[in-house]
Amino acid sequence: GAGVSQSPSNKVTEKGKDVELRCDPISGHTALYWYRQSLGQGLEFLIYFQGNSAPDKSGLPSDRFSAERTGGSVSTLTIQRTQQEDSAVYLCASSPSNMNTEAFFGQGTRLTVV
Amino acid sequence: DQQVKQNSPSLSVQEGRISILNCDYTNSMFDYFLWYKKYPAEGPTFLISISSIKDKNEDGRFTVFLNKSAKHLSLHIVPSQPGDSAVYFCAASAMKYGGSQGNLIFGKGTKLSVKP
Repeated sequence: GAGVSQSPSNKVTEKGKDVELRCDPISGHTALYWYRQSLGQGLEFLIYFQGNSAPDKSGLPSDRFSAERTGGSVSTLTIQRTQQEDSAVYLCASSPSNMNTEAFFGQGTRLTVV
Repeated sequence: DQQVKQNSPSLSVQEGRISILNCDYTNSMFDYFLWYKKYPAEGPTFLISISSIKDKNEDGRFTVFLNKSAKHLSLHIVPSQPGDSAVYFCAASAMKYGGSQGNLIFGKGTKLSVKP
């Protein structure tokens, strides 16, 4: 497909385990964003990649969260030692550049920590 | 500290009438604003945007107004349709500054219900 693809669509994990969430952005998009939406809440910014610039990690809630973007394309968000409060929908978006263009979102990964 | 605020968590409107969704921001460096619509179990989809050099942008039934002096923008939907029922998010970015200022900051959303 031509859109942003996220996998898995659903993930249930036990408290304390590590999880990896994957995002395949639209081909050629240089900007990539991760957000999360907890139940009843808005979209919380996590991390932003733009080309070869250093990522903006200012939204990561703790050092248990990390993300990387390999080769300027696929991105992986890793949550170590998951906690129940990490349960949320994790959304990835990409855009062609950082200049006045909209971001396109994937369907999200619903993470449930039990 | 919320940089983008949507103070109304919900709004109910009759079909055919106008829906007005409001958004306030605090960061004067924001120069690009967007509205997204989100249905349950789906990712947000882009609706309409406006650059800070404009005060109005229209696309079909959707119009966004920007008041820079008040740091306020609004989305007007007219006429409203039942299919417009969704959560609407306002987002802002300091695009021209690039780099770490390029990320999109979202409000908490307003749930719009359009009743037939």
